[in-house]
Amino acid sequence: EDQVTQSPEALRLQEGESSSLNCSYTVSGLRGLFWYRQDPGKGPEFLFTLYSAGEEKEKERLKATLTKKESFLHITAPKPEDSATYLCAVQAGTALIFGKGTTLSVSS
Amino acid sequence: DSGVTQTPKHLITATGQRVTLRCSPRSGDLSVYWYQQSLDQGLQFLIQYYNGEERAKGNILERFSAQQFPDLHSELNLSSLELGDSALYFCASSVLLAAFLNEQFFGPGTRLTVL
Repeated sequence: EDQVTQSPEALRLQEGESSSLNCSYTVSGLRGLFWYRQDPGKGPEFLFTLYSAGEEKEKERLKATLTKKESFLHITAPKPEDSATYLCAVQAGTALIFGKGTTLSVSS
Repeated sequence: DSGVTQTPKHLITATGQRVTLRCSPRSGDLSVYWYQQSLDQGLQFLIQYYNGEERAKGNILERFSAQQFPDLHSELNLSSLELGDSALYFCASSVLLAAFLNEQFFGPGTRLTVL
């Protein structure tokens, strides 16, 4: 069964304190892994797509990496505005399966 | 603003009732997806339409149905509502059929409360 597990469920950081979020997956034939950001009460916002092991993508303070079993979202020197829930998803058929997310809180 | 619109923003109704949620995709997007998000289950895929045709089904209950119209807007119908149906319902759209080929743009959601 296709499955996505994210850890930790919640993460509290001080401004400037770098860390990583984990997304482990089991899927028959990965065709794409997606990272989304979701602010409270809003729809998810697309961040990255990774297609093959070893691939990396960066956007401002965020960097996503992919291995054959998991993906990491590295957050470098986070700011309070990075506070959000980060969702990971893998493609299954023509749709996506989402993990339950990691809720990140960054305090100044 | 993703370009995807959903109405209504909030909906409060009673058990046993039927409601319709509406979604207008981004201009040019042919694929529409419906998701349900609850606190305990996370974001769950319900159903996908592509250019008017149903293309994929996820964890959608038989009490729920959807359709995509010729102008590409979509409606999600929820009937015989139960307390457990209370959740955020999101619509997303994308250009292509296959989810892995392109990003999905999510609407702001409809918050459904069943009393």
